[in-house]
Amino acid sequence: DTAVSQTPKYLVTQMGNDKSIKCEQNLGHDTMYWYKQDSKKFLKIMFSYNNKELIINETVPNRFSPKSPDKAHLNLHINSLELGDSAVYFCASSAPGRTEAFFGQGTRLTVV
Amino acid sequence: QQQVKQSPQSLIVQKGGISIINCAYENTAFDYFPWYQQFPGKGPALLIAIRPDVSEKKEGRFTISFNKSAKQFSLHIMDSQPGDSATYFCAASMDRGSTLGRLYFGRGTQLTVWP
Repeated sequence: DTAVSQTPKYLVTQMGNDKSIKCEQNLGHDTMYWYKQDSKKFLKIMFSYNNKELIINETVPNRFSPKSPDKAHLNLHINSLELGDSAVYFCASSAPGRTEAFFGQGTRLTVV
Repeated sequence: QQQVKQSPQSLIVQKGGISIINCAYENTAFDYFPWYQQFPGKGPALLIAIRPDVSEKKEGRFTISFNKSAKQFSLHIMDSQPGDSATYFCAASMDRGSTLGRLYFGRGTQLTVWP
């Protein structure tokens, strides 16, 4: 059983397109995150949701819009994709009051 | 501004040797310091973590040393094995309010253990 699962694992798309990445966790956690890992492997938080409520919104272009339909799901929609959006996007989750984060396997997004 | 600084960027160690990765931070509000291990094509996985009330934590071959006054912490991998070859990230977090769970990562260390 995968604890934090993301789909798709790979995504290749053209500039200007709109795409979504889905994330689901079956750990019963209340908090979910999106992290971006760039080509140099640097990991940086993008968003955090707690019980479907947006908690952290880093300085991310508003082309990126997270949506949390319930506390087990956090999706990421990206409009008007740009070359610089190419990266690996990781979903993560943590339990209430805990800082240990569990990461999904990542979605490698390539914009051509 | 890089909240957590990590070194070295890459490390090559012979099998059976000791791997040491160092991290430093500035924000004294940080109170949780995890290390993550990442294999190619996989997500980061929590390896070991420490809080500032202790100076050392050991789990198997992995040890975190923590120096609160110097604002530094390090990961020691004893008897390094080829299977330990991965990218290691230190991180820091605050157990407080809206930043709960938010991790500030170092830039990672690519560890290669030669057989």
